[in-house]
Amino acid sequence: NAGVTQTPKFQVLKTGQSMTLQCAQDMNHNSMYWYRQDPGMGLRLIYYSASEGTTDKGEVPNGYNVSRLNKREFSLRLESAAPSQTSVYFCASSEWGLANYGYTFGSGTRLTVV
Amino acid sequence: RKEVEQDPGPFNVPEGATVAFNCTYSNSASQSFFWYRQDCRKEPKLLMSVYSSGNEDGRFTAQLNRASQYISLLIRDSKLSDSATYLCVVNNDMRFGAGTRLTVKP
Repeated sequence: NAGVTQTPKFQVLKTGQSMTLQCAQDMNHNSMYWYRQDPGMGLRLIYYSASEGTTDKGEVPNGYNVSRLNKREFSLRLESAAPSQTSVYFCASSEWGLANYGYTFGSGTRLTVV
Repeated sequence: RKEVEQDPGPFNVPEGATVAFNCTYSNSASQSFFWYRQDCRKEPKLLMSVYSSGNEDGRFTAQLNRASQYISLLIRDSKLSDSATYLCVVNNDMRFGAGTRLTVKP
């Protein structure tokens, strides 16, 4: 069982470059999330999608855009990368938004912006 | 006050010890709570849910104190393999605590 798959696992970008982080889940979950994790800051929610066709901003959405392509896929785009976006990015899914079953996370994307 | 707060630790305990972590939250309307475990450079993995009545899974016990707005995680008979960072999450807000680092030593 793949669960939540994120690509790429590692990426180095130059300031100003753009890229899309991909996330796909095979658990038929309705809700998907993007978090970033920085040392000492814990996980902070960037965007989430409570169900297919909807997206909402989280705690730190500036500099990011998302697309819920279908029920399985939820991508995160950095239009013009900045060094402050150096972080580990985790995608997660859950059966429903205010989940009673918790999240399943992908293995993360380690992004460095130079 | 942060919406979800944890003591960052580190907690360094010997094998066999009992250790407890707390996680405080600010939103009194919060309904669902979880503990996650995160190993170094890995993704968080669900450890257990926290129910109003408390719940136990082997050596792990989770409890909720609504009056004081905190959840707790108790680990009994600590194992070396319990060394990790423990994160709490308040699902209504989709907010995680920054995590508590535990190191269990021989």
